[in-house]
Amino acid sequence: GNSVTQMEGPVTLSEEAFLTINCTYTATGYPSLFWYVQYPGEGLQLLLKATKADDKGSNKGFEATYRKETTSFHLEKGSVQVSDSAVYFCALRSSNDYKLSFGAGTTVTVRA
Amino acid sequence: DAMVIQNPRYQVTQFGKPVTLSCSQTLNHNVMYWYQQKSSQAPKLLFHYYDKDFNNEADTPDNFQSRRPNTSFCFLDIRSPGLGDAAMYLCATSRDGREFFGPGTRLTVL
Repeated sequence: GNSVTQMEGPVTLSEEAFLTINCTYTATGYPSLFWYVQYPGEGLQLLLKATKADDKGSNKGFEATYRKETTSFHLEKGSVQVSDSAVYFCALRSSNDYKLSFGAGTTVTVRA
Repeated sequence: DAMVIQNPRYQVTQFGKPVTLSCSQTLNHNVMYWYQQKSSQAPKLLFHYYDKDFNNEADTPDNFQSRRPNTSFCFLDIRSPGLGDAAMYLCATSRDGREFFGPGTRLTVL
């Protein structure tokens, strides 16, 4: 079955630091890969996605590249802000499925 | 403009007292989902609809039921809430591979 393994948190950074959150997956076929962000007390928002190998998703300074050879989709941001403090979820969906499979989530706290 | 709306945002119920959570969408999407998210955990899919076709996850307790009277609305009914059912409940819709999540309803069971 499908599964997503995500770097455990919590992660605490200073403003303007570099952020990486590792994500690897197991899936059949060619899944689509996603990063969702959840701010305190809110629902999930799609941050970025990639639908095929070597695609790079990007949004709000965040990037992730779909690496089929390493089955990874690591999230990066070069310079974080306090407003980036949130929980980040890596997720996948197989091409023949309606369901999203989520990683456990990584809590990121950015200090001023 | 809100696209996936959940009411109420906060719901308090008593142990064993039935409760219904509501979700509506303005997107006319054919797929709707209900997820349960407990504190510091990933969302867990309870069930989803493809149009009127209902799909229950194998490990969703019988205590949880759902109704979708039309494309726009979907309800989650918890017949006899236990303390372990306290969680955030997320509704989502999707079309063409893109999900849209509502803000969630936080359920407290006293």
